[in-house]
Amino acid sequence: AQSVTQPDIHITVSEGASLELRCNYSYGATPYLFWYVQSPGQGLQLLLKYFSGDTLVQGIKGFEAEFKRSQSSFNLRKPSVHWSDAAEYFCAVGGVTGGGNKLTFGTGTQLKVEL
Amino acid sequence: NAGVTQTPKFRVLKTGQSMTLLCAQDMNHEYMYWYRQDPGMGLRLIHYSVGEGTTAKGEVPDGYNVSRLKKQNFLLGLESAAPSQTSVYFCASSYVEGAYEQYFGPGTRLTVT
Repeated sequence: AQSVTQPDIHITVSEGASLELRCNYSYGATPYLFWYVQSPGQGLQLLLKYFSGDTLVQGIKGFEAEFKRSQSSFNLRKPSVHWSDAAEYFCAVGGVTGGGNKLTFGTGTQLKVEL
Repeated sequence: NAGVTQTPKFRVLKTGQSMTLLCAQDMNHEYMYWYRQDPGMGLRLIHYSVGEGTTAKGEVPDGYNVSRLKKQNFLLGLESAAPSQTSVYFCASSYVEGAYEQYFGPGTRLTVT
C-alpha cells in the first residue's frame, strides 16, 4: 500500500530564511509525487510535480523539490521564504497502479513565517 | 473557466438529516474525487469516479454515497448524518492521461450537531 509521511507537523521560519519541508513516501512502483499548498479556508493548489526525468523539479512561487529514490524522499525547498508563504503544505504520491489516478496524501506541515 | 466548483460552501446539519454536496468541473476531466479533510489527518479519499456512470470506493466510504450521472458533475450524499461526518469536504478532478495532477475545489465545511 502506498503511504506518505510528513514528519514535521509545524515549522516556523523567519522571513527571508531558507525552508525545507520533508516528505517520505512508500510506493511499490515508480511514484508520481506532488506538493500542494493550502491557504486558510482555501482549496489545494499544486506547487510542483515529479513524474520522471530530472530529479530536481521547479514549481510555482519559487519552490523546488528533489526526488531521491534511494531515500524515498521528495523534500520541498525554497531559498528565501516570504510572509505570504505561510500555509499548510501537503505531499502526495500516486502512480499508474490501482486505477483511477488515486493519490495518497501526507498529514501536512503547517508553515508559520515570522516577520 | 471556473475550474472545480462546490455547492454549498457551508452547511450545518442535525444528526440524522440528509444532504447532497454538488461538485462541478468545466475542464472535461474524466476522473473525479471526493475527499474529507480532518485536522492532523490530511486528505482521505471517500469515493471516486473514472467516468460518467461509474463510481468506486475510496479509503473511507462508509456513510456516504455518490453519483456521476453527467461527466461534469459528481454528487456526494449523506443519508443520515452523524457528528463524525463533521469535516471539510473537497472535490477534485483530473485527466485520464498525461496531466496526472488533481485540481481541487474550494471545499465545503459541514458541521453535524
